[in-house]
Amino acid sequence: DVVMTQSPLSLPVTLGQPASISCRSSQSLVYSDGNTYLNWFQQRPGQSPRRLIYKVSNRDSGVPDRFSGSGSGTDFTLKISRVEAEDVGVYYCMQGTHWPSFGQGTRLEIK
Amino acid sequence: QVQLVQSGAEVKKPGASVKVSCKASGYTFTTYDINWVRQAPGQGLEWMGWMTPNSGDTGYAQKFQGRVTMTRNTSISTVYMELSSLRSDDTAVYYCARSPAYSYDFWGQGTLVTVSS
Repeated sequence: DVVMTQSPLSLPVTLGQPASISCRSSQSLVYSDGNTYLNWFQQRPGQSPRRLIYKVSNRDSGVPDRFSGSGSGTDFTLKISRVEAEDVGVYYCMQGTHWPSFGQGTRLEIK
Repeated sequence: QVQLVQSGAEVKKPGASVKVSCKASGYTFTTYDINWVRQAPGQGLEWMGWMTPNSGDTGYAQKFQGRVTMTRNTSISTVYMELSSLRSDDTAVYYCARSPAYSYDFWGQGTLVTVSS
């Protein structure tokens, strides 16, 4: 099984400041078709998860452009350029290249 | 618009089974896989398995092999997830999610399953 390791697990951020979450996989996430199926999800309190980013860096429709994804192979990052109050929640990376697995989650809170 | 609407909350006793439904609308049901993911109280997301509505093919996480069964009824665009031999640590919110290209783009609202004697 592919283990996804996120850091930090808790992320206090001042409004308007940037934030960054790291996600590392125990195996390469490059699929045989050349794509890398690494996704990022946001889960606000009391809500279902919502996809923000797919295939490492593709932002979903309606996702603010302050969210960006990057990385390759086994190391990936989600960045928020300027944190807003509505960004509070838990962020998960998830790989779909192998049998699916999620990171432990990173809880973002406003400092 | 794409929607996945799940059945309501359930309370079950240890050893019983539960069957959760996920009704899809707003797209062609047989085009995308449906996956199931669960979340225990205060915990992270755990993948359980997938179903291909077109063929009925399924794949289950090893942890749930022998206890989970995913089925579908294409006439009503609904996928079902049945979990048997319930234990207290199966208490969780169960989500279905539409799965295009090894990702999940739409999620159901979640179904809370409580296992308690």
